[in-house]
Amino acid sequence: AQSVTQLGSHVSVSEGALVLLRCNYSSSVPPYLFWYVQYPNQGLQLLLKYTTGATLVKGINGFEAEFKKSETSFHLTKPSAHMSDAAEYFCAVSDQGPGNQFYFGTGTSLTVIP
Amino acid sequence: SQTIHQWPATLVQPVGSPLSLECTVEGTSNPNLYWYRQAAGRGLQLLFYSVGIGQISSEVPQNLSASRPQDRQFILSSKKLLLSDSGFYLCASTMTGLIGYTFGSGTRLTVV
Repeated sequence: AQSVTQLGSHVSVSEGALVLLRCNYSSSVPPYLFWYVQYPNQGLQLLLKYTTGATLVKGINGFEAEFKKSETSFHLTKPSAHMSDAAEYFCAVSDQGPGNQFYFGTGTSLTVIP
Repeated sequence: SQTIHQWPATLVQPVGSPLSLECTVEGTSNPNLYWYRQAAGRGLQLLFYSVGIGQISSEVPQNLSASRPQDRQFILSSKKLLLSDSGFYLCASTMTGLIGYTFGSGTRLTVV
């Protein structure tokens, strides 16, 4: 069974500081891993995804994440936070079975302090 | 690329009233379609998914139902809304073999 744990439901960083959002997963098959961002009252937008190959994945808006199999982690980082990064972030693992379902973490709300 | 249209964007309904939320997909055929609910502080819960016309799988027993009358149309319904049905409802789409979801813009439902 697949599951995702996001440590920290709320994270606050100062503008210009490093952003680190944590995600750990469990999966019975090689995982496909994703980070989505959600701005208030909007749908989810794909930030980046890992399927195979290079374990460091670069996404939109300067975000990147590294797949670490030994740690079952897929933490999201950005070197320098911008005010526009304030949003809800969801980590997800894909179920490669019928229906191609995703399993989402409970989300991390990022606040950027000016 | 796929585009998902959801409506309405916001909805306020009294307890006991019916519900119908519609989701349509453009730019693809035979997609897998999903309804998620996002309750405050509780992340995303998969409610239903469909791999084809008339094929609905329910993930959680509840007061809601789903239907897929056409290839690119997915409808979420209820006969009698409960207060606990309040939340943000998201429709999502993916293609078999294509990795990643496309999400609609969501419907904010408030049951009063």
